[in-house]
Amino acid sequence: RKEVEQDPGPFNVPEGATVAFNCTYSNSASQSFFWYRQDCRKEPKLLMSVYSSGNEDGRFTAQLNRASQYISLLIRDSKLSDSATYLCVVTRAKYNQGGKLIFGQGTELSVKP
Amino acid sequence: EPEVTQTPSHQVTQMGQEVILRCVPISNHLYFYWYRQILGQKVEFLVSFYNNEISEKSEIFDDQFSVERPDGSNFTLKIRSTKLEDSAMYFCASSTDRDSNQPQHFGDGTRLSIL
Repeated sequence: RKEVEQDPGPFNVPEGATVAFNCTYSNSASQSFFWYRQDCRKEPKLLMSVYSSGNEDGRFTAQLNRASQYISLLIRDSKLSDSATYLCVVTRAKYNQGGKLIFGQGTELSVKP
Repeated sequence: EPEVTQTPSHQVTQMGQEVILRCVPISNHLYFYWYRQILGQKVEFLVSFYNNEISEKSEIFDDQFSVERPDGSNFTLKIRSTKLEDSAMYFCASSTDRDSNQPQHFGDGTRLSIL
């Protein structure tokens, strides 16, 4: 079983749509959770960290359910520039312990005019 | 904003040859990492490095791979005898030991092509 599993894509949505990505992780020892964004053949870039209480950054909302080992990302009012692959990432370390990042396979989003 | 820099951006090498990928982490960072991404696949952890030694490595990081911090600024990944399946994007990353909203900063990668 993969340690981090994401919705298979791609998601094709019109501008202005709301889109939700789901992710599950298998290791209950996972401590920190993130969504990264990766543009084609570029490096992963941190989109947002995910906290147990849920957190929001503009049009982006992330949720974490530790009991069901589930992470989600909601994008509201999607823009053309949101087109990318969204990576669910977990680590077994807290921020200050230098742990490896474990990536999901990514979900591709294509926002059309 | 400080960046992780990697060189070269693209490396083409004959199978069986040695290759060295170079990275300059952010200057006050203490943890260093290498990841790779085979085309169309997920990003995979290779190795982490802290206090001048490997702190963790994956199954991929076999005896053909080594890492080094030869001076105070560079962090290198060496592949001793390259195979076709080593063709991938290789990303270097670094992080501090303080709480941060950006746990690991990634360089823009080296595309390694083995012929």
